[in-house]
Amino acid sequence: SQTIHQWPATLVQPVGSPLSLECTVEGTSNPNLYWYRQAAGRGLQLLFYSVGIGQISSEVPQNLSASRPQDRQFILSSKKLLLSDSGFYLCAWSKGGDYGYTFGSGTRLTVV
Amino acid sequence: EDQVTQSPEALRLQEGESSSLNCSYTVSGLRGLFWYRQDPGKGPEFLFTLYSAGEEKEKERLKATLTKKESFLHITAPKPEDSATYLCAVPFQGGSEKLVFGKGTKLTVNP
Repeated sequence: SQTIHQWPATLVQPVGSPLSLECTVEGTSNPNLYWYRQAAGRGLQLLFYSVGIGQISSEVPQNLSASRPQDRQFILSSKKLLLSDSGFYLCAWSKGGDYGYTFGSGTRLTVV
Repeated sequence: EDQVTQSPEALRLQEGESSSLNCSYTVSGLRGLFWYRQDPGKGPEFLFTLYSAGEEKEKERLKATLTKKESFLHITAPKPEDSATYLCAVPFQGGSEKLVFGKGTKLTVNP
């Protein structure tokens, strides 16, 4: 069966520090991968999505970047965090042609 | 621009008190409408996919229905464990496999 792993679960980082969040999927190949952010009082905002290794589409101009170095690995990064980067970050995967996303357990990021 | 609106933002029910949540959308050429359940501090969990007007899906106390402009999530005789935020989503237009989500309805069921 397919599983998705996302870590860490919580993170407190100072303003200006770097960020690296990792997401891996098991039990499938060539998944579509997504990074969403959920801020208090706001809906899920799509940040990045990828349909293959090295293929990244950015949805919102921001202080973040994403990379997909391996088929089932998706990384969210920042060189210098801002206070506005705080939120709940969710990784998700789906099979091509299928919109039924499976989400990871999320990372609660607090920038202080 | 694709838009998904959910109402109400929050709903409090007594155990056993049935009700409905609404999800309206403005996309044309709908390629599916998706319902998710999200518990506090966790990722959303997939519930249903609806593809055409008139379609219905059921799971335990939940039933999702779809019309040409909106979807309803009916909750029959809810229990406290049904308390969660319910999200609906539709695909972005343009053929890409991306979902746009509503802000959700936070359901609280009191015993």
